[in-house]
Amino acid sequence: AQKITQTQPGMFVQEKEAVTLDCTYDTSDQSYGLFWYKQPSSGEMIFLIYQGSYDEQNATEGRYSLNFQKARKSANLVISASQLGDSAMYFCAMRNRQTGANNLFFGTGTRLTVIP
Amino acid sequence: DAGVTQSPTHLIKTRGQHVTLRCSPISGHKSVSWYQQVLGQGPQFIFQYYEKEERGRGNFPDRFSARQFPNYSSELNVNALLLGDSALYLCASSLAGGEQPQHFGDGTRLSIL
Repeated sequence: AQKITQTQPGMFVQEKEAVTLDCTYDTSDQSYGLFWYKQPSSGEMIFLIYQGSYDEQNATEGRYSLNFQKARKSANLVISASQLGDSAMYFCAMRNRQTGANNLFFGTGTRLTVIP
Repeated sequence: DAGVTQSPTHLIKTRGQHVTLRCSPISGHKSVSWYQQVLGQGPQFIFQYYEKEERGRGNFPDRFSARQFPNYSSELNVNALLLGDSALYLCASSLAGGEQPQHFGDGTRLSIL
């Protein structure tokens, strides 16, 4: 069975500092994909970054990077130079192969608050 | 280009009623998925449609149904509404195949009284 665990219900970070949001996963698949999404209070899920299980290097997208440690089954999101607009819920997700469809299995999320 | 659009944005219904939620995918995206997000939790997969065919179904009762139209837009129908159906319903579209990311709409917030 697949499982996504986000152990930090809430995190605080000072503006302009870096923050790491934790995500551990469990799957029996050899090939899998991991995603991070941001959800502001408006409700929309915004795609941030993707890491494939066979990717040699950690994914980066602007201020977002993914610290992928395959042996430890962790895929932590690092946000550098935090901005006030980064305050939101952040979800780690994995491609759900159990239903045979292209859909995602989400963790419970981490609420990030950026302090001025 | 327009993103994923959902309608309505908010909806209030009473127990036992039915509801239809609508979604228009990003132009060129043929895959549409529906998710339910209860307050305080991550989204849960309900359905995926691709080329007008159901490709996957999550662990939801038969009261939930969906369909996809020739223009790739989609409807989610929920019958015999229960209080527990109160949630944010999210639609996502993606290009077919591979590890393409899903792009979400703003959702429909459904409240059951």
